[in-house]
Amino acid sequence: DAMVIQNPRYQVTQFGKPVTLSCSQTLNHNVMYWYQQKSSQAPKLLFHYYDKDFNNEADTPDNFQSRRPNTSFCFLDIRSPGLGDAAMYLCATSKGTVGRSTDTQYFGPGTRLTVL
Amino acid sequence: TQLLEQSPQFLSIQEGENLTVYCNSSSVFSSLQWYRQEPGEGPVLLVTVVTGGEVKKLKRLTFQFGDARKDSSLHITAAQPGDTGLYLCAGEPPPGSSNTGKLIFGQGTTLQVKP
Repeated sequence: DAMVIQNPRYQVTQFGKPVTLSCSQTLNHNVMYWYQQKSSQAPKLLFHYYDKDFNNEADTPDNFQSRRPNTSFCFLDIRSPGLGDAAMYLCATSKGTVGRSTDTQYFGPGTRLTVL
Repeated sequence: TQLLEQSPQFLSIQEGENLTVYCNSSSVFSSLQWYRQEPGEGPVLLVTVVTGGEVKKLKRLTFQFGDARKDSSLHITAAQPGDTGLYLCAGEPPPGSSNTGKLIFGQGTTLQVKP
């Protein structure tokens, strides 16, 4: 089945130790998003790629970086995780239909990050 | 700035009761999406409403988009424990807005249905 896959589902890292979360999609969608979600709150958009064009949210800390080496894969790098970065990280994709401001977004299952 | 106010934030009810969740804004949206998220999982799309006044039904769930496309509601009839989860509304800004390409999320409604 076409889907959005995130690995790992659970990640434990130490304070200050770099960590990379990965997302892959078989939907062939143009747009990939990374969100941070804390308990029982709405997802907060960190950044998104429209094809190869990177769009950073103004309030996303420099500690968070992203890479999209090809259509299918997108990575979230946290360079020096702090305790406040412990959260669920969600990847989402959308078609990116020409002429539409946005499309339905399809979410992956998320990666739960714990920072010790 | 486009905002979606979602209410209530928390709801705990008994099995069999009905409930309504609201999403309100002063801004117009091209469409509005409703998601349900279970603990430890990503949000799953329930429905997208596009036309002002549109009503969509998904089994015991009824979704309505306001005539002016500024608000939406989700009504659940005879809630069941399996309905427990976080419900999120998300609005699609109209073309040309400063938030083009992004979804505007409501704060979420945590629903607990007790057996």
